[in-house]
Amino acid sequence: QVQLAESGGGVVQPGRSLRLSCTSSGITVSQNALHWVRQAPGKGLEWVAAISSDGSFKYYADSVRGRFTISRDNSRKILSLQMNSLRPDDAAKYFCARDESDYASSRWAYWGQGTPLTVSS
Amino acid sequence: QSALTQPASVSGSPGQSITISCTGTSDDVGGYSDVSWYQQHPGKAPKLIIYDVDNRPSGISNRFSGSKSGNTASLTISGLRNEDEADYFCNSFRTSDTFVFGGGTKVTVL
Repeated sequence: QVQLAESGGGVVQPGRSLRLSCTSSGITVSQNALHWVRQAPGKGLEWVAAISSDGSFKYYADSVRGRFTISRDNSRKILSLQMNSLRPDDAAKYFCARDESDYASSRWAYWGQGTPLTVSS
Repeated sequence: QSALTQPASVSGSPGQSITISCTGTSDDVGGYSDVSWYQQHPGKAPKLIIYDVDNRPSGISNRFSGSKSGNTASLTISGLRNEDEADYFCNSFRTSDTFVFGGGTKVTVL
């Protein structure tokens, strides 16, 4: 079965940290860039971060730059998102997506089902 | 980072054609061919339906087509069907190696 699966979401207080993970099964990801995308309840999609296939290039949305760090471990097929200094407006469902390019493009053919994050005191 | 501009809603009757616009700037839609469209049904993950402005992934109906003129990309759905009722988002590469989505368009089949 082809899938990406996110995990690590939950409820966290403002200012705290959390780490999300995305694992793959049934598809290869080592030759593909990977992305994190989020969606607040009832809102649209927001691109968060991307990482090239070999992990050498990382890109961030202005809203998370300096607070979030994207990383990957190709040997374990794991994509991660370390989120620090969390704010209430970071609350959303977080999706991982596989880019069809090794660098970064907007062609994301495979998506996970998302993991929810709530930021509240 | 301001989002690309899409109409909030578009509707049509079964069998009709509808077009959704996606307006950006020369720093994104107008400057690159890296424009894609995603379909999202409630509670589901987005699904890629158009990439590189006018290309369809394998398995996507040819009722979906994309185009671009200047800073505006468009998605046309022809022969509208009930199952096309969903939210649609455009996405573009943007200068400085970032990506930007449109605000989303809710398609209603009357």
